[in-house]
Amino acid sequence: EIVLTQSPGTLSLSQGERATLSCRASQSVSTISLAWYQQKPGQAPRLLIYSASRRATGIPDRFSGSGSGTDFTLTISRLEPEDFAVYYCHQFGGSPPIYTFGQGTKLGIK
Amino acid sequence: QVQLQESGPGLVKPSQTLSLSCTVSGGSISSGDYYWSWIRQPAGKGLEWIGRIYATGTTTYNPSLRGRATISIDTSKNQFSLQVTSVTAADTAVYYCAREGLCFDPWGQGTQVTVSS
Repeated sequence: EIVLTQSPGTLSLSQGERATLSCRASQSVSTISLAWYQQKPGQAPRLLIYSASRRATGIPDRFSGSGSGTDFTLTISRLEPEDFAVYYCHQFGGSPPIYTFGQGTKLGIK
Repeated sequence: QVQLQESGPGLVKPSQTLSLSCTVSGGSISSGDYYWSWIRQPAGKGLEWIGRIYATGTTTYNPSLRGRATISIDTSKNQFSLQVTSVTAADTAVYYCAREGLCFDPWGQGTQVTVSS
């Protein structure tokens, strides 16, 4: 099973700052299957980024994804109040092929 | 647009079977363009993918459920379902259904299932 490790576990920043969230895989993953989600309390996760770098429909361009192989990054260029939430990465692969999620990064207000 | 809605009992007794359904609206579950997945999240914890089904009935499961999960599809009702047998307190979670095409979008709102006597 491919393990995804997200860092940091918690990130405290101010509105307007830049956020950089990391997702590291235990082995190389297919870029096409790497995605990022945002989850707010009491809500289902929302797709932000798919195929490592493609923004989902309706996602503001302050969100961007990058990376390949084992290292992937979600960047939020200028934090807005609604961006403070938990962020998860996931991938599909391994043997047998299954979806695995990272443990999440909680982005809080400083 | 496509919307998903979970339904089922919110309370299940230990050792019994958890049964949930997901109704898809705004699109056909049998179109063949997507898989349909179940994902769960214990309170305060992360996400765990349970498994998925294709319109033909082909399924893939997370081995972590040790064969206790079964996903089925009813194209006439535009629904797919989840059963988890021999439940314990560890199966207490919010259960989500989602459309899958190498990413999950959209998701249902989720339904809380508590395993307790």
